[in-house]
Amino acid sequence: DTAVSQTPKYLVTQMGNDKSIKCEQNLGHDTMYWYKQDSKKFLKIMFSYNNKELIINETVPNRFSPKSPDKAHLNLHINSLELGDSAVYFCASSQPTGEDNEQFFGPGTRLTVL
Amino acid sequence: GENVEQHPSTLSVQEGDSAVIKCTYSDSASNYFPWYKQELGKGPQLIIDIRSNVGEKKDQRIAVTLNKTAKHFSLHITETQPEDSAVYFCAAGYAGKSTFGDGTTLTVKP
Repeated sequence: DTAVSQTPKYLVTQMGNDKSIKCEQNLGHDTMYWYKQDSKKFLKIMFSYNNKELIINETVPNRFSPKSPDKAHLNLHINSLELGDSAVYFCASSQPTGEDNEQFFGPGTRLTVL
Repeated sequence: GENVEQHPSTLSVQEGDSAVIKCTYSDSASNYFPWYKQELGKGPQLIIDIRSNVGEKKDQRIAVTLNKTAKHFSLHITETQPEDSAVYFCAAGYAGKSTFGDGTTLTVKP
């Protein structure tokens, strides 16, 4: 009954490779997010989608491309991986109503670029 | 855009003591202020939130206060227990977007 799931949980790859992380939520939410958490635990938003449409695109290299095939899925594709991409990536979802915006986070994907 | 500052970055307390984490925000349009707890190896999870029309909210051992005029809000944990040890994030925003603080690593010593 996992609300927000991500695959894979761990990803180890070489510099220059292309990889994808998948996210699915079964909460019926309209909004999904990708966050990057670095080694200092800082949590930075990368993208946000509402009903399959991109609504937030923070300063993220073009090598990162989100794809939302439907409102329950938001995948993250990363081209030409660099050492600095090593981090934990979290997917989240929410159903913003009025002032509420509780976000439900997935378990994270730890990406290590060698 | 919104800028959220969180202090302290690390906090160590003795079991049973209280812990206080403070955040300031910059955008007066922000009207939703959640607090998340992140345990080791897991994603952040909401523990309490407060809306702009409320000054204080309490849930058992945790409480949050909000001062909209000064643009700051705080998390208070009383009677801390070892299982309270985690990283805590404050956030500020409105429907659809929240900006997170840099986190506070709380350690409760038994």
